[in-house]
Amino acid sequence: KAGVTQTPRYLIKTRGQQVTLSCSPISGHRSVSWYQQTPGQGLQFLFEYFSETQRNKGNFPGRFSGRQFSNSRSEMNVSTLELGDSALYLCASSLDGTGGAQTQYFGPGTRLLVL
Amino acid sequence: AQSVTQLGSHVSVSEGALVLLRCNYSSSVPPYLFWYVQYPNQGLQLLLKYTSAATLVKGINGFEAEFKKSETSFHLTKPSAHMSDAAEYFCAVSAAGGGSNYKLTFGKGTLLTVNP
Repeated sequence: KAGVTQTPRYLIKTRGQQVTLSCSPISGHRSVSWYQQTPGQGLQFLFEYFSETQRNKGNFPGRFSGRQFSNSRSEMNVSTLELGDSALYLCASSLDGTGGAQTQYFGPGTRLLVL
Repeated sequence: AQSVTQLGSHVSVSEGALVLLRCNYSSSVPPYLFWYVQYPNQGLQLLLKYTSAATLVKGINGFEAEFKKSETSFHLTKPSAHMSDAAEYFCAVSAAGGGSNYKLTFGKGTLLTVNP
């Protein structure tokens, strides 16, 4: 079974631009979560989608948004980019996200650099 | 609210030595606990998880962890380090974020270096 895939793997943007990142979950997985990883803040939860609905949200400004499609693929969007948005963005999928014992499977990440 | 504290941002061991990575958690409800490993330029890979069955959990690559409720700890160990174990290790706790929805809260990570 193919793992979680994320595109693109690397991205360079300038301040003020917007960016869209894509995530394809493992086949059959319906829950997709997004995390931001930076050296200073570590891994921080952005949001989780299930059945095209945002079900859980972290403490990030409204510039960060996402969506999920009927095939469970997910995108996240960051508008009006700031230098501090430079990070590795990780996507993770799980079967349905309910029950705390479910394993989340991570993709390789998209490394975003904002200049 | 839930949180994870990993003691030691950097641990260095010799090849063949014991690996001990420390993790303490805080959770108001019974937690599920995970250890993930991240190799350079890669995503996170699950090493093992605690789901309230056995308190001693065995994972991949010879790693294991013991859940100790009285100490709110979930330390990761491996009897003999290998060069290929060099990576960053993350402890995470999963607890209900609202309703039945769970989210992972990660520690800051511990970078393990293995010296020949």
